[in-house]
Amino acid sequence: GAGVSQSPRYKVAKRGQDVALRCDPISGHVSLFWYQQALGQGPEFLTYFQNEAQLDKSGLPSDRFFAERPEGSVSTLKIQRTQQEDSAVYLCASRLADYTDTQYFGPGTRLTVL
Amino acid sequence: AQKVTQAQTEISVVEKEDVTLDCVYETRDTTYYLFWYKQPPSGELVFLIRRNSFDEQNEISGRYSWNFQKSTSSFNFTITASQVVDSAVYFCALSNTDKLIFGTGTRLQVFP
Repeated sequence: GAGVSQSPRYKVAKRGQDVALRCDPISGHVSLFWYQQALGQGPEFLTYFQNEAQLDKSGLPSDRFFAERPEGSVSTLKIQRTQQEDSAVYLCASRLADYTDTQYFGPGTRLTVL
Repeated sequence: AQKVTQAQTEISVVEKEDVTLDCVYETRDTTYYLFWYKQPPSGELVFLIRRNSFDEQNEISGRYSWNFQKSTSSFNFTITASQVVDSAVYFCALSNTDKLIFGTGTRLQVFP
């Protein structure tokens, strides 16, 4: 079956612009995660959804970051007034149900803020 | 606090050599999961293996093998007879609830 897909794969934004990153999880997967991966680092947790409920947003670095999953499937990560430090790869992962299952990752969106 | 340490930043080997990637973790929980993911140049994280804290049995999958030792809090990954296609960044990760805690990764370069 299809894996996790993300769009766009690459995004260049001018500082101050708003961006929206999309994630399509594996069909039937209840849980969805967003991670941020800076250059040369491991992914870091941003936020987590179970169906449409955002259960943990402790990793969001500022109130400029906002995520939603209104129908419990596709999710959008929005970054307002982008800053240079927001430049990173944003990875989405989905999981069938609970923490005993494995997270499967999408290809990521590479965001460059100029 | 939970933490994963991958002390090897980069490893270079010649094809057909065996190579071991180290992973040391810290957690106070008795129930947890350990993972290895591969990140090739394309960028996607590819799942390799998951182990739970109650299963210390080593695992072999083709040229890949994993050694889990709770006594030393380590979960090391060995590639036997490495191939050029094994070149990638490998991440070890820990989870006891929902989010994954990743190490900083080890870049493996396999030269022909």
